[in-house]
Amino acid sequence: NAGVMQNPRHLVRRRGQEARLRCSPMKGHSHVYWYRQLPEEGLKFMVYLQKENIIDESGMPKERFSAEFPKEGPSILRIQQVVRGDSAAYFCASSYSGGYTFGSGTRLTVV
Amino acid sequence: SQQGEEDPQALSIQEGENATMNCSYKTSINNLQWYRQNSGRGLVHLILIRSNEREKHSGRLRVTLDTSKKSSSLLITASRAADTASYFCATDGYSGGGADGLTFGKGTHLIIQP
Repeated sequence: NAGVMQNPRHLVRRRGQEARLRCSPMKGHSHVYWYRQLPEEGLKFMVYLQKENIIDESGMPKERFSAEFPKEGPSILRIQQVVRGDSAAYFCASSYSGGYTFGSGTRLTVV
Repeated sequence: SQQGEEDPQALSIQEGENATMNCSYKTSINNLQWYRQNSGRGLVHLILIRSNEREKHSGRLRVTLDTSKKSSSLLITASRAADTASYFCATDGYSGGGADGLTFGKGTHLIIQP
């Protein structure tokens, strides 16, 4: 079991471009969480998804950010028209029932 | 392998007692953080302690860090039923700041019995 896989590990985008971050949960896990971490800060919850459903997106910025977890394939966190303030590390975690595993994160740098 | 490893894996105590959870790690760190997760919810950041700090307090929380032993402890005093949750430590080994290298342990499940 490869654990929670996130890619890319590092992503550089120019202001105004789109960023797509992928998360493949652990095999058998049907719950995915996305977190953002700004430098020197703790993780901040963004969104909680189950297959084909967004359960809780209370931490997601209202504009430019979206997330999906399709029936097949990885969960995608999409950031449109990126700005410098979007530079951060984005972590995904998956769970089945109680057990909770984090990926290594994607570090997004907006230049 | 997991960098931060908490023990015990599960802890059940009476309301009003103190709860202590420990975390060990393997490599050099920039800081160590503790998080709480209530069942079915996202993580909540509790406290961050830097590698040059030995102890930090926040309300009923007390965190210690011993870099020579590569270990940290989280103490919750005067526990309440609402403290029932899973607690995770996470280490940040990125010397330049930021989240690169953040690694979480598997957590300690704390149950406070009324």
